[in-house]
Amino acid sequence: GDSVTQMEGPVTLSEEAFLTINCTYTATGYPSLFWYVQYPGEGLQLLLKATKADDKGSNKGFEATYRKETTSFHLEKGSVQVSDSAVYFCALRGDNAGNMLTFGGGTRLMVKP
Amino acid sequence: EPEVTQTPSHQVTQMGQEVILRCVPISNHLYFYWYRQILGQKVEFLVSFYNNEISEKSEIFDDQFSVERPDGSNFTLKIRSTKLEDSAMYFCASTETGTGNTEAFFGQGTRLTVV
Repeated sequence: GDSVTQMEGPVTLSEEAFLTINCTYTATGYPSLFWYVQYPGEGLQLLLKATKADDKGSNKGFEATYRKETTSFHLEKGSVQVSDSAVYFCALRGDNAGNMLTFGGGTRLMVKP
Repeated sequence: EPEVTQTPSHQVTQMGQEVILRCVPISNHLYFYWYRQILGQKVEFLVSFYNNEISEKSEIFDDQFSVERPDGSNFTLKIRSTKLEDSAMYFCASTETGTGNTEAFFGQGTRLTVV
């Protein structure tokens, strides 16, 4: 079945550092890919998405490119802020799986001033 | 901005008791979901619901679980006889349509602790 693998956290960075959180997936066909973020005490919020190969999703300075050849959807940000401290979840929705989302394990990001 | 709301935020229950977790999806959404996250593990799909019936469920969603839309706004998850291993964060979500790239909106979650 479908699966998503993320790098384990926590990831601890200083403010203005470059961020990469790796995400790879296994799925048949052409899934849609998502990054969700969970700030402390809040629910899951969609951060960005990409629905076909080579699409780049972007939002709030974060970017991720749908790479079918490497089955990856790595999250990047050029300069992180303390306010980016949260848990980040990579997820996919298979093209024949209805609306069910398959999540990775989540990566906690801690940004220090 | 419209949001999905869940109550309670934290529920403690004794093993064997029934619990009902409540969710109010976004008003114009038609598809509803429950996911759970056991501490330290992945967020896992439990069930999806459309047109007053279950459209998809995972193997986790056994006979102990049921879902209901008792009125025009609430969407509930019932666990009939809770077990210690049901302790988890439960997330409700909703989507406007059933297409694959539609955004799912999640609630803040209910942390269920079974003692």
